[in-house]
Amino acid sequence: DVKVTQSSRYLVKRTGEKVFLECVQDMDHENMFWYRQDPGLGLRLIYFSYDVKMKEKGDIPEGYSVSREKKERFSLILESASTNQTSMYLCASSLVGRNTEAFFGQGTRLTVV
Amino acid sequence: GDSVTQMEGPVTLSEEAFLTINCTYTATGYPSLFWYVQYPGEGLQLLLKATKADDKGSNKGFEATYRKETTSFHLEKGSVQVSDSAVYFCGLPDTGRRALTFGSGTRLQVQP
Repeated sequence: DVKVTQSSRYLVKRTGEKVFLECVQDMDHENMFWYRQDPGLGLRLIYFSYDVKMKEKGDIPEGYSVSREKKERFSLILESASTNQTSMYLCASSLVGRNTEAFFGQGTRLTVV
Repeated sequence: GDSVTQMEGPVTLSEEAFLTINCTYTATGYPSLFWYVQYPGEGLQLLLKATKADDKGSNKGFEATYRKETTSFHLEKGSVQVSDSAVYFCGLPDTGRRALTFGSGTRLQVQP
């Protein structure tokens, strides 16, 4: 079974903290993604990566950065957390190919206080 | 760019009712189309997909047909159950990048 694992289900952080969200996949997928999910807005792409050390901005990259040092791991970094980054964060991975489906992790519910 | 439009929810149905969730898309060419489901507190799971025009994807009693003439991929189920209560997302691969683009999601609530 394809498995995408996010390191935390729930996180509470303080404003201004540096926050790391970790994601690991065990399927040797080239592509990895970070989405943010908010009510009424659906899923919005933050960043994606198609290879180790490669990254591209998605639709809402401001306030975030990413790191992909190994193929199986893709980290999302909130440089200085703010309350408007309170959200559900979803990691996903997929094989190369335009018509392949993505596999999602269980999500991390982040609350910034 | 590519986009997906879904009907707004919530959709509230009684058990055994017929379900339709509308999805239309704008895309270059004929990409694969996907329906994902998100149960409470979980990530998204692939429900079904169709890879070319006129294909019908099906799974767990759900069906969707890829209609290029109407650029639609509506999700249907003949008889819903309480366990189908979830959020449903329609999606397609974005032409310009390797990520999936999703609609805003439709919440389904099935009452006993």
